[in-house]
Amino acid sequence: AQRVTQPEKLLSVFKGAPVELKCNYSYSGSPELFWYVQYSRQRLQLLLRHISRESIKGFTADLNKGETSFHLKKPFAQEEDSAMYYCALSAGTASKLTFGTGTRLQVTL
Amino acid sequence: IAGITQAPTSQILAAGRRMTLRCTQDMRHNAMYWYRQDLGLGLRLIHYSNTAGTTGKGEVPDGYSVSRANTDDFPLTLASAVPSQTSVYFCASSDLTSGILFFGPGTRLTVL
Repeated sequence: AQRVTQPEKLLSVFKGAPVELKCNYSYSGSPELFWYVQYSRQRLQLLLRHISRESIKGFTADLNKGETSFHLKKPFAQEEDSAMYYCALSAGTASKLTFGTGTRLQVTL
Repeated sequence: IAGITQAPTSQILAAGRRMTLRCTQDMRHNAMYWYRQDLGLGLRLIHYSNTAGTTGKGEVPDGYSVSRANTDDFPLTLASAVPSQTSVYFCASSDLTSGILFFGPGTRLTVL
């Protein structure tokens, strides 16, 4: 069975500080990993996926198979980054997503 | 283009009542999903459908049923609502090629 763990329910950082949202997964095969974000009063939406290897809104995430992690990072947090972030895993393109419990990022001045 | 719409936006329901949450997408996606979002538990899959005419159970299917008569619509029915079904319900769809989920705005359901 696949599982996604996000150990932090809330992460509070100051504007301009680095951000790292942790995500660990459990899956025996080759997973596809995603980060979804929910801004206040907006729909849940895709932020990035590991196969794209791209930076979105300054965020990056690297899949580390040895540590089974997919941490989300940003060097300098902005107020508009405040949101709920969910890490998700798929066992394959046509498979269902398993979500973590989410981490609320709060960026303060 | 609306994407995915859900109705109602919110609902307060007496325990024991039957309720259907509606979900419609106009993106011609093959797959559709129902998730519930609960504080501290994240998003949990209730039911899914990979294509019209087929459905499957997710992680927490008990007390819920779905149907997929066509590509666009994927209603979720609570046959006899209980207070533990108080939650925010999200419908989503995806193109099976990309695997990326597109979410609806959610329905906030309170069962008293």
